[in-house]
Amino acid sequence: EVQLVESGGGLVQPGRSLRLSCAASGFTFDDYAMHWVRQAPGKGLEWVSGISWNSGSIGYADSVKGRFTISRDNAKNSLYLQMNSLRAEDTALYYCAKDMASSGWYPFDIWGQGTMVTVSS
Amino acid sequence: EIVLTQSPGTLSLSPGERATLSCRASQSVSSSYLAWYQQKPGQAPRLLIYGASSRATGIPDRFSGSGSGTDFTLTISRLEPEDFAVYYCQQYGSSLPFGGGTKVEIK
Repeated sequence: EVQLVESGGGLVQPGRSLRLSCAASGFTFDDYAMHWVRQAPGKGLEWVSGISWNSGSIGYADSVKGRFTISRDNAKNSLYLQMNSLRAEDTALYYCAKDMASSGWYPFDIWGQGTMVTVSS
Repeated sequence: EIVLTQSPGTLSLSPGERATLSCRASQSVSSSYLAWYQQKPGQAPRLLIYGASSRATGIPDRFSGSGSGTDFTLTISRLEPEDFAVYYCQQYGSSLPFGGGTKVEIK
């Protein structure tokens, strides 16, 4: 079964850091680009960051550029998001999503169930 | 950066009716790189349409996409009870913005 399982969310104070993980299974992980997408409570979807199959191409939304770092470990079939200098507006459900292609951003055909990040003092 | 505007914000229809959802881009979407997703409450989004008109794997043929340039449409020919949800469009290729969503609710 094709599956993405996120972890690492939680309650964190403003200015602190958090690292999200996404474990992939059921497909050849290193054949595909991967992404993080977030959804604030009651709001729409926002693409956060993406990484190509070999980490050679990486992109970030302007809202997180310079604060968040995406990475992947193909040997572990895992995707990560290091989030630093967190703000209240980063509060959201963070989804891990599989790209349809290896590089060059394409639609997301597999999604995890998300991990909730709450930034509050 | 391309901005996607979806309309209407909410569509109130009855099962069996036809739903027409609009997604307008602030500039031309190259190569019709436009996708549609469905999201039900408490669930992750699901890819419905890519390339403006190609159905994703397992998507029923009552869902169809059309359009090019700056104007795109998702049509649900006959609404089934499970189709009441929020729908998002997304441009892809260079950037990956989503539209604000259209909620299809039961009238």
